[in-house]
Amino acid sequence: QSVLTQPPSVSAAPGQKVTISCSGSSSNIGSNYVSWYQQLPGTAPKLLIYENNKRPSGIPDRFSGSKSGTSATLGITGLQTGDEADYYCGTWDSSLSAVVFGGGTKLTVL
Amino acid sequence: QVQLQESGPGLVKPSETLSLTCAVSGYSISSGYYWGWIRQPPGKGLEWIGSIYHSGSTYYNPSLKSRVTISVDTSKNQFSLKLSSVTAADTAVHYCARHTSGYDFLDYWGQGTLVTVSS
Repeated sequence: QSVLTQPPSVSAAPGQKVTISCSGSSSNIGSNYVSWYQQLPGTAPKLLIYENNKRPSGIPDRFSGSKSGTSATLGITGLQTGDEADYYCGTWDSSLSAVVFGGGTKLTVL
Repeated sequence: QVQLQESGPGLVKPSETLSLTCAVSGYSISSGYYWGWIRQPPGKGLEWIGSIYHSGSTYYNPSLKSRVTISVDTSKNQFSLKLSSVTAADTAVHYCARHTSGYDFLDYWGQGTLVTVSS
């Protein structure tokens, strides 16, 4: 059971927009920065979003992040088949004194 | 470009100690940042194991703390993981990554190495 809660799966058609939610508590998302990672099949996770809404160099602006209270959201616009992957949210949990992740969301581009 | 590469045995016997090393290139560990280990059991999600600073300061996941030791060798620009008393539940792909503490994101990752615990 993950500390952060994500939907197991989401799907949308190519070109459409999708959002992935990440729900936590006051000890994690509510008081710390959120990051998002993309894990393509058989590869290592890749940083997509850090400090809630910042994109590392090379990440297209189709990917966006936001945070409100104890929840965070990853948005992906202009979906491409190459976006099919598992997406994870992560943050620090001040009560656990640990980096924590969501259980992951599998994105299918139909 | 920062690159990380994990190495170590792919098979460990139950009750023994898992040992992995992460070699860093393109960035000097002594220049800063924390350096962390993350694992992912087959078909499951990510679990942070712990992180270390170039000074040797460490912090570990409380759920694994009693069995984990992370160390750093700045002369070789690498850091290592030891996990003792392993069981089948410790079978996982293990990743090393650069960890920005305080903001807690992991921006550069190794490709990962599968460690199987089996007799």
